Amino acid sequence: EAGVTQFPSHSVIEKGQTVTLRCDPISGHDNLYWYRRVMGKEIKFLLHFVKESKQDESGMPNNRFLAERTGGTYSTLKVQPAELEDSGVYFCASSQFLADTQYFGPGTRLTVL
Amino acid sequence: AQSVTQLGSHVSVSEGALVLLRCNYSSSVPPYLFWYVQYPNQGLQLLLKYTSAATLVKGINGFEAEFKKSETSFHLTKPSAHMSDAAEYFCAVTPTQGGSEKLVFGKGTKLTVNP
Repeated sequence: EAGVTQFPSHSVIEKGQTVTLRCDPISGHDNLYWYRRVMGKEIKFLLHFVKESKQDESGMPNNRFLAERTGGTYSTLKVQPAELEDSGVYFCASSQFLADTQYFGPGTRLTVL
Repeated sequence: AQSVTQLGSHVSVSEGALVLLRCNYSSSVPPYLFWYVQYPNQGLQLLLKYTSAATLVKGINGFEAEFKKSETSFHLTKPSAHMSDAAEYFCAVTPTQGGSEKLVFGKGTKLTVNP
């Protein structure tokens, strides 16, 4: 069974540009989460989808971040326009409905110059 | 609000020595507790979890952790370190004892194993 995959693995962009990160969860997992780790700090929750609906987006930093999960399968996280403080590693995780174990992808390392 | 404190951002042990990584949490209700490990250039992998059953939890690769409610702790141990244990370890909690909850992480502890 394939695990959670994320694309790209690395992205380097200039301040003000737009970047879109993609996450493909494990097949059949209704729950999809986005987390972010800024260098030197803890991994922080961004948002949670149940199928295509946003269950909890309390961790989204501001309106420059837009997450979608059309059709309840893969998800995208768009940052527009990117700022220097957006640099970090973005993790995606998925889990079965009502399950307590989340399975993480390898992350996307975003660098904003 | 829940929080997790991992004492020691870096821990160094000799191969064959005891590994002890500390995790304390604050929560108004008993949470679920997790330890994840991240090997270089890989994603987070679940080591073990406490979900209100046995307080001593055994995980993969010889690791175990004990939930101590009175101390609000969930320390991770392994009797004998192996070189392959070198990685970053994260303790995490969920706000309540339920599924499909967001995780609140500690800052992580990097474990170095010396030959």
